[in-house]
Amino acid sequence: AQSVTQLDSQVPVFEEAPVELRCNYSSSVSVYLFWYVQYPNQGLQLLLKYLSGSTLVESINGFEAEFNKSQTSFHLRKPSVHISDTAEYFCAVSPLSGNTPLVFGKGTRLSVIA
Amino acid sequence: DTGVSQDPRHKITKRGQNVTFRCDPISEHNRLYWYRQTLGQGPEFLTYFQNEAQLEKSRLLSDRFSAERPKGSFSTLEIQRTEQGDSAMYLCASSFSGGGDEQFFGPGTRLTVL
Repeated sequence: AQSVTQLDSQVPVFEEAPVELRCNYSSSVSVYLFWYVQYPNQGLQLLLKYLSGSTLVESINGFEAEFNKSQTSFHLRKPSVHISDTAEYFCAVSPLSGNTPLVFGKGTRLSVIA
Repeated sequence: DTGVSQDPRHKITKRGQNVTFRCDPISEHNRLYWYRQTLGQGPEFLTYFQNEAQLEKSRLLSDRFSAERPKGSFSTLEIQRTEQGDSAMYLCASSFSGGGDEQFFGPGTRLTVL
């Protein structure tokens, strides 16, 4: 079985400041890793994913996450946040591929302050 | 591609009543998932289908819950004899098993049991 821990339930940060949202996972098998974002009153959207290859993955809107197998982590970072990044962020794992049920963390609410 | 749609978006019911939710996946997607999300928690897997076959059910899915995908297209999730603990957001997602590993989520159906 897999589990995901998001260590921070809420992260307030000032606009243009850097941010890191932490995610640790536990699994007895290899996993694929995902970050989903949920903007207010919208459905979940995939932000980025790690399947294999380079351990650093990037999204189109400036977020990046690094897979660290030894620390079983997949932290999400952005060097400079915008007001529009205010949302709930969910880390998720899948034991084989994204085409099997996802196991989600509890989420981190990122609030960007002007 | 109109995305994953869910109907209704909101449902208020009295304890003991039956409710049914519908999910229409992206048309070419053969996999369909149901998740449940309660306040302050990440989505939790309930069940999923490949075409019309129900491949897996979570232990969270009590006997009062039943899901169908009769023609391998839309799916319904029925809850019989609703309880207050069933109040949650019910999320549907779809994916294509032969394609990329992303699950596409619908906007959800928010159920309130009074």
